[in-house]
Amino acid sequence: AQKITQTQPGMFVQEKEAVTLDCTYDTSDPSYGLFWYKQPSSGEMIFLIYQGSYDQQNATEGRYSLNFQKARKSANLVISASQLGDSAMYFCAMREYTGNQFYFGTGTSLTVIP
Amino acid sequence: DAEITQSPRHKITETGRQVTLACHQTWNHNNMFWYRQDLGHGLRLIHYSYGVQDTNKGEVSDGYSVSRSNTEDLPLTLESAASSQTSVYFCASSDSATDTDTQYFGPGTRLTVL
Repeated sequence: AQKITQTQPGMFVQEKEAVTLDCTYDTSDPSYGLFWYKQPSSGEMIFLIYQGSYDQQNATEGRYSLNFQKARKSANLVISASQLGDSAMYFCAMREYTGNQFYFGTGTSLTVIP
Repeated sequence: DAEITQSPRHKITETGRQVTLACHQTWNHNNMFWYRQDLGHGLRLIHYSYGVQDTNKGEVSDGYSVSRSNTEDLPLTLESAASSQTSVYFCASSDSATDTDTQYFGPGTRLTVL
């Protein structure tokens, strides 16, 4: 079974609108972390946001927030007020701390339309 | 400023040749990782190290080897390059002393095996 599933290969959003990128995960490890990375066309991987499995509050970092629904095993990334520079690939990842494993999803390509 | 660098950034080689990709980080992170990125697969873990003299196999380790003789460097060696190893290779590092153990990535190496 896939450890990280990103079901949206491509997404479009109007500039200044909000967009949600979906991520579901599969783990039996009680201690894990969820990460989102951005990969622009230049190719580098940029860390955006982190959510720990024991965190009670959803993580936020500027215009990025993580909608963490533990029972549903989902960790969706919400980008508010989209900007043209947000056009990129977005990867969801999970770190299993007990098992010492790290997994990436296949990514979602986001295009922001002016 | 602390950073993680990879060299070369682009490499073309022939089938059967030995190739070594360099990764150097100045964050003094104890953990280092090598991934390959291919279309439709996201990032897949090749090898990782949790400290000097420690190395572990990842999901796609066949045909690759690593060695960790100091904290800063984790070179990746393709013992006999194959066309299936044409890919973009990313090195990453993290500090397990932090709560999140977030991985930070190098700029990537594009390898073409002819």
